[in-house]
Formats: sequence, C-alpha cells, structure tokens
Amino acid sequence: QQQVKQSPQSLIVQKGGISIINCAYENTAFDYFPWYQQFPGKGPALLIAIRPDVSEKKEGRFTISFNKSAKQFSLHIMDSQPGDSATYFCAARYNFNKFYFGSGTKLNVKP
Amino acid sequence: GAVVSQHPSWVICKSGTSVKIECRSLDFQATTMFWYRQFPKQSLMLMATSNEGSKATYEQGVEKDKFLINHASLTLSTLTVTSAHPEDSSFYICSLGLAGTYEQYFGPGTRLTVT
Repeated sequence: QQQVKQSPQSLIVQKGGISIINCAYENTAFDYFPWYQQFPGKGPALLIAIRPDVSEKKEGRFTISFNKSAKQFSLHIMDSQPGDSATYFCAARYNFNKFYFGSGTKLNVKP
Repeated sequence: GAVVSQHPSWVICKSGTSVKIECRSLDFQATTMFWYRQFPKQSLMLMATSNEGSKATYEQGVEKDKFLINHASLTLSTLTVTSAHPEDSSFYICSLGLAGTYEQYFGPGTRLTVT
C-alpha cells in the first residue's frame, strides 16, 4: 500500500510557467512533509518542507500548499526554469525520521 | 545542512560476490542513518535504519542476511550486499536525520550493477 500518492508522473512546462505537483496521504500521524529534488545519478536534495499546522510556505519560487482536511499537499514552482528540470518527490515523516516517499514527478521545463 | 558522502559512487560486481557501500557523515555525528533503495525511474524505498552500536532495524520484506548493515562509529555506516544477484542492481542511497530537526539529508547514492 502506497502511503503517499503523487501526481502527475511527468510534467512538461514552458519556461516562465508554473509547475504544480500534487500529493495525497491517508495517515494522519504524518507530521512533516518535505519535497525533494533529484537530478539523474544524484541523491535527493531537500527543497522545501512544511508542517501540518501551516497551510502555506513559500521560499523563493517554491511554494507548498497544505490542506490538512483533504490530506493533500502540493508544490508550486513559479517562473519555472530549464534548470528546474529534475525529478521531484514528496514525502511524509512518521515515527522519528522514517519517511515515505511519493512515486516521483519528472519535470521538464522547455526553454 | 549535513554533508553525507558515499563510496563508491558506482560499482560493478559479478553475480555471487559481495559488495560493501560506505556512508559517511562529514560534519555531524549520526547515531542513526538510513538506507534506501531506488530502482530506475522509481521512488525511494526505505530498507533499514542503521543504529550506531546496535543492530539495524530492517523494513518488512528486506532480507537482513542479504543486506548487512554495520554502524560502527558515529560517522560511518556500511551496507554490504552479500551474494549479489542481477536483481540487486539498483541505486542505494543513505541518509541521516539531525537530532532536534525533522530534516533528513541524503548522500549522493551508489549505483550497483550486478552482472
């Protein structure tokens, strides 16, 4: 059973556009929701994260929107750039740094 | 954030042999480190939690006799894939969590190819 469901699987966005990736979860015990960026052949790098008592968090061009009642959260990348082309994973934390990851979204930003 | 290194970055071994992957925390003492496995174009799956000075905790379905984990110091955890088979070919990634934070920092990963 997949603990965190992520969509879409792939995404193509024009340079300057907005990229939106969605995740949903069921376990209300999750208490921390990070997003990771991964380039081919590299480990994931923490991008931005949110706790469930906050509805939105913004860092530069990256924004997390969190809907606790719907058990959904999303990543918005504003003014998307070709350098943002990577695979993005959402995750949820449970039980002392045990993380469940979404299935990943491959983002391709066209110049 | 924490800096995590892994060695080797890429290893090719023959079926039936064993291979050891090292994970080092370069600037923090890590009492707990984590090992993940990632198949091509798939997500990360937690394999085990490595505890300094004690036995590792394995996730359901992960063979502890096949994937030996040793966390002998606060800066080093090793994963040994014993009697490797082609289906063990994967990207292995370690991570550590910093005490007092929720954040987790990942190493650059090790690509294992078993021929």
